Amino acid sequence: QVHLVESGGDVVQPGGSLRLSCAASGIAFSSFAMHWVRQAPGKGLEWVAVIASDGVFKSYADSVKGRFTISRDVSESTIYLQMSSLRTDDTAVYYCGPEDKSGSSLFEYWGQGTLVTVSS
Amino acid sequence: EVVMTQSPATLSVSPGETATLSCRASQSVNVALAWYQQKPGQAPRLLIYGASTRATGIPARFSGSGSGTEFTLTISSLQPEDSAVYYCQEYKNWPAFGQGTKVEIK
Repeated sequence: QVHLVESGGDVVQPGGSLRLSCAASGIAFSSFAMHWVRQAPGKGLEWVAVIASDGVFKSYADSVKGRFTISRDVSESTIYLQMSSLRTDDTAVYYCGPEDKSGSSLFEYWGQGTLVTVSS
Repeated sequence: EVVMTQSPATLSVSPGETATLSCRASQSVNVALAWYQQKPGQAPRLLIYGASTRATGIPARFSGSGSGTEFTLTISSLQPEDSAVYYCQEYKNWPAFGQGTKVEIK
């Protein structure tokens, strides 16, 4: 059974930094690309970033490019999202999830999310 | 960048009736289209992928159709537990979500 646990969410001031973690179990972690998706309070879903199974290829939404960095640790079956120069519009619940078994960027498995609040 | 547009924003339907939700892509995504259901305080749940294939454990009253740029999610015999926000997502390119349709039960 696939289990995803996001952590690291907190209240941070504008301009600050934060690192989110996502621990995965129940999947062959090294075989799947992993994504971050976020949801601002009362708003819709927004894709944030992806990291390929080999950890080499990465891609970001324009809204976070240059400020966020995605990484993965195969030994820990964990991905990270290093967030810097945070803005108030980064306030959201952040979810992680693997690509599906066919290699498509759709999300069958979701964690419970971790809340990031950017506020002074 | 593909823009996904859902309509209507809110749909109010009586129990037992049919809800029809629409999703339009700004350019063709073939059938690389998924639908999710999200209830308050919960993560989204995958309902449909490949435009028309139900995910594991999804009741048959949920059905999807369409290809290219026009897609529909149909919820037949609406149940009270179907009250939720529904999102479409294209995955032919990088994931892009619609803004959601809220389904309310009258």
